[in-house]
Amino acid sequence: KNEVEQSPQNLTAQEGEFITINCSYSVGISALHWLQQHPGGGIVSLFMLSSGKKKHGRLIATINIQEKHSSLHITASHPRDSAVYICAVGSNTGNQFYFGTGTSLTVIP
Amino acid sequence: KAGVTQTPRYLIKTRGQQVTLSCSPISGHRSVSWYQQTPGQGLQFLFEYFSETQRNKGNFPGRFSGRQFSNSRSEMNVSTLELGDSALYLCATSLGRSRTDTQYFGPGTRLTVL
Repeated sequence: KNEVEQSPQNLTAQEGEFITINCSYSVGISALHWLQQHPGGGIVSLFMLSSGKKKHGRLIATINIQEKHSSLHITASHPRDSAVYICAVGSNTGNQFYFGTGTSLTVIP
Repeated sequence: KAGVTQTPRYLIKTRGQQVTLSCSPISGHRSVSWYQQTPGQGLQFLFEYFSETQRNKGNFPGRFSGRQFSNSRSEMNVSTLELGDSALYLCATSLGRSRTDTQYFGPGTRLTVL
């Protein structure tokens, strides 16, 4: 059983499209993290959320604590957004960190 | 500020050997977490060190161990290497505890076990 589920696994979009990646989790959390991993391995932390919504440029992340669900939105997608997006949660019991399997996004010019 | 550095970047070992990986955090960061990434299992949490103490540990065998020094630099050690230990090992550092603070990832050490 996976503590963190992401959907979709793979996503192909045309440049300019609005993109949504979903993350559901089953554990109590201290915070939820969205990570971006480009080919070659480098990981960048995009957002850390414990409630509500955050926006950074064209990226928006939301979390619904009651429903144990988070979404990452990319507005006006661009080929440079092509990467794997990973949802991770820091649990509030057992001090564990759990990761989703990632969503591979390809944005076509 | 310099980013998180990991050494070595690539490593090839044979089964049964042991390996030590190093992570130097961003200046001022006190938390260092280690993760293993494989194509089959994805990212998995190994352990977190904060102020020289192991705070959390993931579900990995005792062959995986680590430590943190007074300057916050951290090392992880894998003894009696197995083929399945081949992976990208990432460290991430943060000012506070990793669960509730933004983490900054190093480039990783790619370990191949033959």
